[in-house]
Amino acid sequence: DTAVSQTPKYLVTQMGNDKSIKCEQNLGHDTMYWYKQDSKKFLKIMFSYNNKELIINETVPNRFSPKSPDKAHLNLHINSLELGDSAVYFCASSQGGQSQPQHFGDGTRLSIL
Amino acid sequence: AQSVTQPDIHITVSEGASLELRCNYSYGATPYLFWYVQSPGQGLQLLLKYFSGDTLVQGIKGFEAEFKRSQSSFNLRKPSVHWSDAAEYFCAVVFSGGYQKVTFGTGTKLQVIP
Repeated sequence: DTAVSQTPKYLVTQMGNDKSIKCEQNLGHDTMYWYKQDSKKFLKIMFSYNNKELIINETVPNRFSPKSPDKAHLNLHINSLELGDSAVYFCASSQGGQSQPQHFGDGTRLSIL
Repeated sequence: AQSVTQPDIHITVSEGASLELRCNYSYGATPYLFWYVQSPGQGLQLLLKYFSGDTLVQGIKGFEAEFKRSQSSFNLRKPSVHWSDAAEYFCAVVFSGGYQKVTFGTGTKLQVIP
């Protein structure tokens, strides 16, 4: 059973489009995250949710909007996609916040044409 | 601001040789320290963590790491590398107290040659 699953795995789209990435975890964790990994493998946290409540919102353009319908799901919607949004986006989860080990999904590779 | 430095961008070792990957963090409150491994096309997987207690911690896949407060370091080691260890390795730090936010290092890519 996949602990943290993301869909889709690949996303190829044009500039200006709107797209969503879905994430689900079956570990019963109370905290979920979105990360962006750029082409140099630099990993930066974007958002963190604890029990469906937004805890961390780093300096991310407001074109990015997370939504957590329940503790097991954290989706990421991106409006008006730009070339610089091309990256691999990772969902992760942990029990008890960022001081605890995180479990990562396999990532969604977003390519903007 | 807290920061994590992995000085080595790329390391190449021969299969069977020993390995040490370096990680240094900026001075701050007691840190929580982690090492993760990322294989191509996959997410990060936890290798080991340090919260408190014994400064030498054992992890999965035969890895260990030692916390040295005086050097602000948490280096990852393995006595004998296997070809399957080729991957990207990330050190991560969270400082205890107050606003806790994880910071990842820039990663070290490990290449293993036969």
